[in-house]
Amino acid sequence: SQTIHQWPATLVQPVGSPLSLECTVEGTSNPNLYWYRQAAGRGLQLLFYSVGIGQISSEVPQNLSASRPQDRQFILSSKKLLLSDSGFYLCAIRTSGNTGELFFGEGSRLTVL
Amino acid sequence: AQSVAQPEDQVNVAEGNPLTVKCTYSVSGNPYLFWYVQYPNRGLQFLLKYITGDNLVKGSYGFEAEFNKSQTSFHLKKPSALVSDSALYFCASRYTGANNLFFGTGTRLTVIP
Repeated sequence: SQTIHQWPATLVQPVGSPLSLECTVEGTSNPNLYWYRQAAGRGLQLLFYSVGIGQISSEVPQNLSASRPQDRQFILSSKKLLLSDSGFYLCAIRTSGNTGELFFGEGSRLTVL
Repeated sequence: AQSVAQPEDQVNVAEGNPLTVKCTYSVSGNPYLFWYVQYPNRGLQFLLKYITGDNLVKGSYGFEAEFNKSQTSFHLKKPSALVSDSALYFCASRYTGANNLFFGTGTRLTVIP
């Protein structure tokens, strides 16, 4: 079965600083990859998804970006963080051939001060 | 528009009593429906899914859900609640051919000892 690694688990950054969150996957190949943000412990907002290397779809315009440099690596970045970027960031995968369920990593909690 | 609704932000139930967490969907065609559970500061864990076939779906930890096409509902149920079931529950849907899941806003379940 697949394993999803996210790091760092916790991050405190000042406003205006850059961001890099990383997600790597083991145990599967060519997955669909997703970044979600969860604010205040409630609803999930889909930020980006990728169906292959270098292929990124953005769902919400904002100061975040995503990249997929390798098949099983998905990176969420920002050049300048805003206070509103604080939240719990979840990486998820959908493996080929399944019926659509996503499997989630353990998340990265970002606090922007 | 594709969406799911969880009409209750909070559900409280006594330990040992049956529990129900409600979900209704608005998905064109044949929906794929899912339930997830999230414990504090953790990623989402997949509980169960409905794709086709038997309307009653059994999942992890003794949970089950019933697909009701006429009421466009997919309520999560458990015959006897445990204190350890206290968590945030998300309903999600996907329509055929879509890459993404649409998540509800979540229902916080509290099981009272």
